[in-house]
Amino acid sequence: GAGVSQSPSNKVTEKGKDVELRCDPISGHTALYWYRQSLGQGLEFLIYFQGNSAPDKSGLPSDRFSAERTGGSVSTLTIQRTQQEDSAVYLCASSRGGTNTEAFFGQGTRLTVV
Amino acid sequence: AQTVTQSQPEMSVQEAETVTLSCTYDTSENNYYLFWYKQPPSRQMILVIRQEAYKQQNATENRFSVNFQKAAKSFSLKISDSQLGDTAMYFCAFLNAGGTSYGKLTFGQGTILTVHP
Repeated sequence: GAGVSQSPSNKVTEKGKDVELRCDPISGHTALYWYRQSLGQGLEFLIYFQGNSAPDKSGLPSDRFSAERTGGSVSTLTIQRTQQEDSAVYLCASSRGGTNTEAFFGQGTRLTVV
Repeated sequence: AQTVTQSQPEMSVQEAETVTLSCTYDTSENNYYLFWYKQPPSRQMILVIRQEAYKQQNATENRFSVNFQKAAKSFSLKISDSQLGDTAMYFCAFLNAGGTSYGKLTFGQGTILTVHP
């Protein structure tokens, strides 16, 4: 596609349920990032994939969070046993990799845990 | 680890005037890139301007310019002739170009800018 696509756009889930958020990066982009943005706040780094290298998972807030990237393309962020504090907008971005390359963002998934 | 700090949670400016948004960062790396991103109410992040750390010349993109002070680890954004469409949240970002965190993009907390007519 022309840009980074995230699905779903909005997700309401009950506390304790698992959720999967999907990110389709721009074709050919080797770098993929996940960020979390709470209401009116900054972007909290979650995880970073670069090509075939081991992902940088240093931002994942707990072991309930995990992410994978299949075939170097689509990525899925999974949150197990969701809590109310997980409510936020989850943003995905991709870039050509390397440095001095613009990161292109998706529209985000707004997750609400009730 | 790199940190990016934006000390101004909110700023406001009158249309046609100039405003400067502040950003400082902390890193032990010598090779990196800096960016300003804009996030309007639509939530879509848009790149405004970028700066290579090895370049002394400040980057400029039309009404947007930066004041990059490498020794002070400061990277401010100046918006000239502010327009209503500039109303958005602005994020300063650091991209590591070396070391173990190569390619990692770290953002500041953001500054909400409101342009008043």
